[in-house]
Amino acid sequence: DADVTQTPRNRITKTGKRIMLECSQTKGHDRMYWYRQDPGLGLRLIYYSFDVKDINKGEISDGYSVSRQAQAKFSLSLESAIPNQTALYFCATSDPDQKLFFGSGTQLSVL
Amino acid sequence: DQQVKQNSPSLSVQEGRISILNCDYTNSMFDYFLWYKKYPAEGPTFLISISSIKDKNEDGRFTVFLNKSAKHLSLHIVPSQPGDSAVYFCAASAMGGTSYGKLTFGQGTILTVHP
Repeated sequence: DADVTQTPRNRITKTGKRIMLECSQTKGHDRMYWYRQDPGLGLRLIYYSFDVKDINKGEISDGYSVSRQAQAKFSLSLESAIPNQTALYFCATSDPDQKLFFGSGTQLSVL
Repeated sequence: DQQVKQNSPSLSVQEGRISILNCDYTNSMFDYFLWYKKYPAEGPTFLISISSIKDKNEDGRFTVFLNKSAKHLSLHIVPSQPGDSAVYFCAASAMGGTSYGKLTFGQGTILTVHP
């Protein structure tokens, strides 16, 4: 079983819809992250959480929100999806040495 | 402002030869650097790292070189194998302060190793 699991793997939605991407981990790490990957832009940090009561904005948090429901669960929400949020989204955890462990990604398309 | 840059979107290499992937950074606070490899339909996986107290780190066929004065690092793969074909991301972090635990990634370089 994967250490970092993202659901769904693929999602197509329409502009204006609210959607949630979910992430769970079995690595026992306190730190969790959400990144998005766009062609030519690499991976950009959306939100991160260093423990259950800690939520921090990354470099591109506008239009997104997150919830850290437990140490193992970190979900990303798009309150009102727009087409430029079409991207590949990755959840990750990190160990104390700052090595990130990524899920397999969620390909989101907003029409 | 792209603080970590990989200026070569793609690189093509013959099997058995050396692959050299380059990365430049602008933030002088960065003191820890990592390379990740990504296959299609998978998340990135950690490959190798280097801290700023070193100028070289080696792990099997993979070596990372750091030139702090030039704010440049490179990943050498010798010999290259077809299974190395993937997207390679350079990432950087500052170990202290408010940036601790946050990695900044480059745009990625697609490496293709031909048999």
